[in-house]
Amino acid sequence: SAVISQKPSRDICQRGTSLTIQCQVDSQVTMMFWYRQQPGQSLTLIATANQGSEATYESGFVIDKFPISRPNLTFSTLTVSNMSPEDSSIYLCSVRTGDGGEQFFGPGTRLTVL
Amino acid sequence: GQNIDQPTEMTATEGAIVQINCTYQTSGFNGLFWYQQHAGEAPTFLSYNVLDGLEEKGRFSSFLSRSKGYSYLLLKELQMKDSASYLCAVMDSNYQLIWGAGTKLIIKP
Repeated sequence: SAVISQKPSRDICQRGTSLTIQCQVDSQVTMMFWYRQQPGQSLTLIATANQGSEATYESGFVIDKFPISRPNLTFSTLTVSNMSPEDSSIYLCSVRTGDGGEQFFGPGTRLTVL
Repeated sequence: GQNIDQPTEMTATEGAIVQINCTYQTSGFNGLFWYQQHAGEAPTFLSYNVLDGLEEKGRFSSFLSRSKGYSYLLLKELQMKDSASYLCAVMDSNYQLIWGAGTKLIIKP
């Protein structure tokens, strides 16, 4: 299994500002993902964080709004830029140990934008 | 398109048995996952099925029929702490997880 920590666990931010969320894994993992989950909704994949190269974004998500870094196999950051109230959500870091492996989730970051 | 269907909400009684169904249509199949998510918390892994049949793990069992595009999660001897959302997810041919909207399970005394 993999143990994942996220910082911050929650934040309240003003419209127009940016927040960077950190994800740390206790072991090297091949695949890291960033998800968003809005209240009462299921998980929506934002992007796959690729080590040493640009992230792969899903339809509806762009790098300018959600820049992602992954400098090594245990760490990644997601920035939510120029925030609006519509960005209020839980942001989850997730890792998978292999192509067919189990997927683990971090505890999430609860973001509220005023 | 890809689609995962599961009931939005179910109610059951403490001590009873409940079955949560999931049907799917995806481009390729590399396994089906069930996750449990308590309100305000991250999903936690429950089960993984890649072959047809029943996988039992304590009070929880998961069944898969690939020909029917169908799975269910069976919870026995329900406890109040089992009140949560249960998410069905299918891994497609690109090894991407396609998520259902989740089934909110309410346990009553």
